[in-house]
Amino acid sequence: DTAVSQTPKYLVTQMGNDKSIKCEQNLGHDTMYWYKQDSKKFLKIMFSYNNKELIINETVPNRFSPKSPDKAHLNLHINSLELGDSAVYFCASSPHEGSEQYFGPGTRLTVT
Amino acid sequence: KQEVTQIPAALSVPEGENLVLNCSFTDSAIYNLQWFRQDPGKGLTSLLLIQSSQREQTSGRLNASLDKSSGRSTLYIAASQPGDSATYLCAAPYSGAGSYQLTFGKGTKLSVIP
Repeated sequence: DTAVSQTPKYLVTQMGNDKSIKCEQNLGHDTMYWYKQDSKKFLKIMFSYNNKELIINETVPNRFSPKSPDKAHLNLHINSLELGDSAVYFCASSPHEGSEQYFGPGTRLTVT
Repeated sequence: KQEVTQIPAALSVPEGENLVLNCSFTDSAIYNLQWFRQDPGKGLTSLLLIQSSQREQTSGRLNASLDKSSGRSTLYIAASQPGDSATYLCAAPYSGAGSYQLTFGKGTKLSVIP
């Protein structure tokens, strides 16, 4: 029954590794997002996809690559992880661009 | 670009009090504004979405107002309860370069003391 789900919930990895975070929504929404919440709890948009097409790519290093295999999924792949990538990553979805957003539970990434 | 400010950063009140959380935004050309709640270690829960055509939106003990002309929104919580303790986030949209994105404030951390 979970509306927006993310896996894994926790991810601990070493610098230089490549990792992926998965997101799925069962709400039938057209738009999905990735946000990063840093250690100061500040939440910032990273990517936005509408109907599987990228519409926002904020100033995010190109080590971060989102992939949307279908409307219900938006995965985040991160190459060559750095200490500064440690944060909580939230996936969200909305019926369409500009409407109410619904968030997943977050993935806490720790890079050692 | 949109900037969102929330005041106060933290607030502690005794149970039963009514309280107001404030949010201000710089770009008033918005067509909605959203309030969220975040519990420690958890995701964000949408509380209220106010359309620009509305001045108020109510859900239970929560009432959010929106004044686009002054760039302000308030979240009123009536008869506060310990379970209301959380961080409350205001998010205003920014439409630039043909895309829409939410800009979040840094939140107000609310503690309701039993």
